Amino acid sequence: DGGITQSPKYLFRKEGQNVTLSCEQNLNHDAMYWYRQDPGQGLRLIYYSQIVNDFQKGDIAEGYSVSREKKESFPLTVTSAQKNPTAFYLCASHGTGVPFSEAFFGQGTRLTVV
Amino acid sequence: GIQVEQSPPDLILQEGANSTLRCNFSDSVNNLQWFHQNPWGQLINLFYIPSGTKQNGRLSATTVATERYSLLYISSSQTTDSGVYFCAVERGDSSYKLIFGSGTRLLVRP
Repeated sequence: DGGITQSPKYLFRKEGQNVTLSCEQNLNHDAMYWYRQDPGQGLRLIYYSQIVNDFQKGDIAEGYSVSREKKESFPLTVTSAQKNPTAFYLCASHGTGVPFSEAFFGQGTRLTVV
Repeated sequence: GIQVEQSPPDLILQEGANSTLRCNFSDSVNNLQWFHQNPWGQLINLFYIPSGTKQNGRLSATTVATERYSLLYISSSQTTDSGVYFCAVERGDSSYKLIFGSGTRLLVRP
């Protein structure tokens, strides 16, 4: 089935460690996104990418890094510089043709610092 | 950047009641979607509706792009409708930046 797969579903990180969250899509979408959600809050944009080998910072990019080497994949690394990384992370994608297509989300990764 | 405001922030309904959720946005948009976030955190697509009106069962949505708002109607609400409803927009400048409102938290009581 076509869709977006995020892994792992749960992730525990020790303070000072970098961790990488995976996001893969087989929808042939050009645009991909990473969002962070804190408990009881909305979604805040971390990074987004319109095309392979290109990405832009969102509203809360500090302490995060991404790469877009393949159209299907947009991994997010939470670095040790992110002081409060415990949150729910959601990945999304959509096509960039005209008209713009519907965005779809993965099931999310819950990251906890231990 | 574009501002997206949703109202009301919280809503409590008795099962069977109807409700209207609103999304206002501050600039022209190419894309507007409504999502329902379930208790497990997954975002479920409800409507892709940059303009016009759509209906899907008990839910319907209307976007008036020229006046920069969208409405989500829930009729005959059920307890399974509980959760958070988000509106998301993509600015009309081909930036592909998808921005979310802060959501409406809905609780439907039996």
